[in-house]
Amino acid sequence: QLQLQESGPGLVKPSETLSLTCTVSGGSISSSDYYWGWIRQPPGMGLEWIGYIHYSGTTYYNPSLKSRVTISVDTSKNQVSLNLSSVTAADTAVYYCTRHRGDSSWFDPWGQGTLVTVSS
Amino acid sequence: HSALTQPASVSGSPGQSITISCTGTSSDVGGYNYVSWFQQYPGKAPKLIIYDVSNRPSGVSNRFSGTKSGNTASLTISGLQAEDEAEYYCSSYISSASWVFGGGTKLTVL
Repeated sequence: QLQLQESGPGLVKPSETLSLTCTVSGGSISSSDYYWGWIRQPPGMGLEWIGYIHYSGTTYYNPSLKSRVTISVDTSKNQVSLNLSSVTAADTAVYYCTRHRGDSSWFDPWGQGTLVTVSS
Repeated sequence: HSALTQPASVSGSPGQSITISCTGTSSDVGGYNYVSWFQQYPGKAPKLIIYDVSNRPSGVSNRFSGTKSGNTASLTISGLQAEDEAEYYCSSYISSASWVFGGGTKLTVL
């Protein structure tokens, strides 16, 4: 059964870079049919799509975050990483890793999520 | 890009049917058959319950169904059960090779 697990610091200082890793188990990240990405949810608020990446390296980002976001993939480790630069308190959220099936609106499964707080 | 519009809350009694709407524009909901619905319990990750407007993933109850008309997608839950009480989110592909979510709807089972 495919499982996704997010990991990374739970506290980041303003203006610094948020870095998270998603480890995929129970399946290969090197599938031509899928993209691997990130979605976040500020406390008590709704969901926001951040972006995703194909194992070939093709990326798609939310235009509102594009200037600060980098998503990368390490096929040897079956991992996807998220870097979000110049963070502010507005970036405080639970960050979820998820799999997206191309040519579809399929987003499944999701990781359990990890809370990242931006504070000095 | 603005979020899709969902009612903040809906409610229903056990056994009844309820419908949650998700309104967008011709650049998102109305322009593509790429609408999904997610169910989220407090403190848990969202779960995919409908994709591509009306398809159910394996294992999802057939009490959940999705439709779309013009710029509005809808999720219907029939035979409402206590376990259906949760937050529900819609999402849609948008023309900039991106995705947008609705603000979420809290379903209360009376």
